[in-house]
Amino acid sequence: GESVGLHLPTLSVQEGDNSIINCAYSNSASDYFIWYKQESGKGPQFIIDIRSNMDKRQGQRVTVLLNKTVKHLSLQIAATQPGDSAVYFCAENRRTGTASKLTFGTGTRLQVTL
Amino acid sequence: NAGVMQNPRHLVRRRGQEARLRCSPVKGHSHVYWYRQLPEEGLKFMVYLQKENIIDESGMPKERFSAEFPKEGPSILRIQQVVRGDSAAYFCASSREQGQPQHFGDGTRLSIL
Repeated sequence: GESVGLHLPTLSVQEGDNSIINCAYSNSASDYFIWYKQESGKGPQFIIDIRSNMDKRQGQRVTVLLNKTVKHLSLQIAATQPGDSAVYFCAENRRTGTASKLTFGTGTRLQVTL
Repeated sequence: NAGVMQNPRHLVRRRGQEARLRCSPVKGHSHVYWYRQLPEEGLKFMVYLQKENIIDESGMPKERFSAEFPKEGPSILRIQQVVRGDSAAYFCASSREQGQPQHFGDGTRLSIL
């Protein structure tokens, strides 16, 4: 089965509030994590990434937190807007020999209510 | 700068036919990845190619599926003798180097009649 999973399949948030999307992973050897946003009918769009030697990284309105002790990753979106409505995936980068590949979680649907 | 371009966006095939999905990576990217996505699910890795070489095909079925990334031209994912279970969205991604962010195309939605 998947080693990257999400706690909440659907998250409903009021416009202007902060959103927190969580993700658990099981492979302690993963060295790189990415959050993607996928809108209906489109491909995943890169939001933010974090390497395993960091525990926090901030972007524009988004923050990713990495807790390697409990193998947990979260995406925080500040002042959530209607345009943030989408499915959010976390992905971990696993090295297998000389190659590496992304393993995706099942996704969380973020619904922004007015 | 153009992103990852996939075509066709939608492809309809009858059982037993062949499906060819094309992917042009971001200019300057030599690493290409193919993923498959079923409705309401995450993306499943299929194959990773780097110009003319298949690096990792551990996620691709051994039969009927093949992928290539020639020196010139787009990467091709080929599915022979399609079956209903092949219906899915197929996404291509590219990166400049391994371990760097992968940028995705908008996918090809394959429907099998």
